[in-house]
Amino acid sequence: NAGVTQTPKFQVLKTGQSMTLQCAQDMNHEYMSWYRQDPGMGLRLIHYSVGAGITDQGEVPNGYNVSRSTTEDFPLRLLSAAPSQTSVYFCASRLPGTGDYGYTFGSGTRLTVV
Amino acid sequence: AQSVSQHNHHVILSEAASLELGCNYSYGGTVNLFWYVQYPGQHLQLLLKYFSGDPLVKGIKGFEAEFIKSKFSFNLRKPSVQWSDTAEYFCAVNSNQGGKLIFGQGTELSVKP
Repeated sequence: NAGVTQTPKFQVLKTGQSMTLQCAQDMNHEYMSWYRQDPGMGLRLIHYSVGAGITDQGEVPNGYNVSRSTTEDFPLRLLSAAPSQTSVYFCASRLPGTGDYGYTFGSGTRLTVV
Repeated sequence: AQSVSQHNHHVILSEAASLELGCNYSYGGTVNLFWYVQYPGQHLQLLLKYFSGDPLVKGIKGFEAEFIKSKFSFNLRKPSVQWSDTAEYFCAVNSNQGGKLIFGQGTELSVKP
């Protein structure tokens, strides 16, 4: 199993450009989430999904779009990049339900917007 | 709305000192609780988790945490820290059956050799 795979690992964008951060998992996890990590602010939830076709906003959704057409993939789109979106982005996934299931995290994408 | 609060932003200890990092959450229902660690330049690793049963949870590398439901707390402890424990520690809460995992702001731990 590859776990949670994020691409790219590093990216530099110019203000106003758009791009998609990719997240894929091969564990048949229904739940997937996107976080951004900024110094002193921990990880903040951007968007999350509890299954294909179902997404919802987290704590800081503005400027980001998501869709979930398959169980495996959960891409994060930046429509018009801003310097405030410079951050490290993490994707996470887990099985659904009330069992003793932990989250699996990807290795992150470091994004710089200039 | 769920929220998680970590009271200590930066803790500095000498090797062999005892550690306790505070974590409080706000959510009235059943929760699952986690502590994650992030070593410099690396991604998150799970230290321990609480889902049900014994409120004293033991994790990897000698860490443990106690869930006190009446205080909405899940503090992380280690009797004797090592230099290699230098890292950032995150508490997180997930409402039972929910898809949202909410993190605290993190506590940076620096251990002096």
